[in-house]
Amino acid sequence: AQRVTQPEKLLSVFKGAPVELKCNYSYSGSPELFWYVQYSRQRLQLLLRHISRESIKGFTADLNKGETSFHLKKPFAQEEDSAMYYCALYGTGFQKLVFGTGTRLLVSP
Amino acid sequence: GAGVSQSPSNKVTEKGKDVELRCDPISGHTALYWYRQSLGQGLEFLIYFQGNSAPDKSGLPSDRFSAERTGGSVSTLTIQRTQQEDSAVYLCASSFGGRTEAFFGQGTRLTVV
Repeated sequence: AQRVTQPEKLLSVFKGAPVELKCNYSYSGSPELFWYVQYSRQRLQLLLRHISRESIKGFTADLNKGETSFHLKKPFAQEEDSAMYYCALYGTGFQKLVFGTGTRLLVSP
Repeated sequence: GAGVSQSPSNKVTEKGKDVELRCDPISGHTALYWYRQSLGQGLEFLIYFQGNSAPDKSGLPSDRFSAERTGGSVSTLTIQRTQQEDSAVYLCASSFGGRTEAFFGQGTRLTVV
């Protein structure tokens, strides 16, 4: 079955520290991976997708098919990065968007 | 409006009553998803529509839950004989389908007392 695992429920760092939010997936086909973010009192929204290979708000994520991972990274965390982050998987074989349980990132001053 | 709209924003209901939650997707979006967001549970997939058909209902927690979509647009999620464990935020999302970005509504917060 398709599954997305985010092992950390909470990640707490200080401003300026590097951040890595972990995401592992299980899917035998060709996946597309996404990171969605939900800031306080706002809607869930797309942060980035692996196929775009872009950096958004300083965040990057590389798809590692060997390790079946799609970790989200930022070299220097900012307080405004505090939010709930969800990793999501889409596959043509099952045609739906499957989310992980999310990681709350808390960046302290 | 330009975004996904859900109504009501908040719903408090008594245990045992039926509730209907509504989702208005972005015009032209063929795919529509319902998720449930609970503390500690993340985003739980409920059902997915492509047009008016639901090829995947595997996430519906019990037969008390049902959903329909009419005209390839508005969708309604119905929960019959609500239980306290149904309390959660119910999110709707729509997209052009496939690998495209999903846009989320603001959610309906359901509280069963």
